Amino acid sequence: QKEVEQDPGPLSVPEGAIVSLNCTYSNSAFQYFMWYRQYSRKGPELLMYTYSSGNKEDGRFTAQVDKSSKYISLFIRDSQPSDSATYLCALTGGGNKLTFGTGTQLKVEL
Amino acid sequence: DSGVTQTPKHLITATGQRVTLRCSPRSGDLSVYWYQQSLDQGLQFLIHYYNGEERAKGNILERFSAQQFPDLHSELNLSSLELGDSALYFCASSVGTRDTGELFFGEGSRLTVL
Repeated sequence: QKEVEQDPGPLSVPEGAIVSLNCTYSNSAFQYFMWYRQYSRKGPELLMYTYSSGNKEDGRFTAQVDKSSKYISLFIRDSQPSDSATYLCALTGGGNKLTFGTGTQLKVEL
Repeated sequence: DSGVTQTPKHLITATGQRVTLRCSPRSGDLSVYWYQQSLDQGLQFLIHYYNGEERAKGNILERFSAQQFPDLHSELNLSSLELGDSALYFCASSVGTRDTGELFFGEGSRLTVL
């Protein structure tokens, strides 16, 4: 069993939809939770970073962490075609040795 | 543009060969990380260097080695290449060694082993 599980998709939604992306993990040592976005033929870029359980909002993006269930989510409101990318969750117990999910490919269609 | 530069962008070689991938971190960043991305395994951490010293090793094969030079650029050496080594290799950098979470990734080097 992988330490971090993420549905690979692809996930296709119409423009303006609310998107929910999720990861589950098994290692309780993970304390820091991130979401990276990776456009085709590019490197990943950090989108959201959270430490504690609860919600963190940044514009159209909301990251949610439930440590008791070992479940993290990323919500995208009013999705745009420019949001089409692969979204990777990344977790660490501290420091920058990140454990990544395999990524969910998202396509937002006009 | 993340500020991290990787060369070459694409590389095609044969089994048994050796290649070197190069990474220049963002200006001021002392840490360099190497990751391998394949379709079935996702992004896998290989190795971390901080200011020239190896700090952490992940799932890096013995056929692979890396180093970070005094000017902070890093090289990943892959030898005795096998078909399964075909992947995207990413370099990432960060300011220090204990800062958590924000890595700046280059655009990757795509290695194809035939």
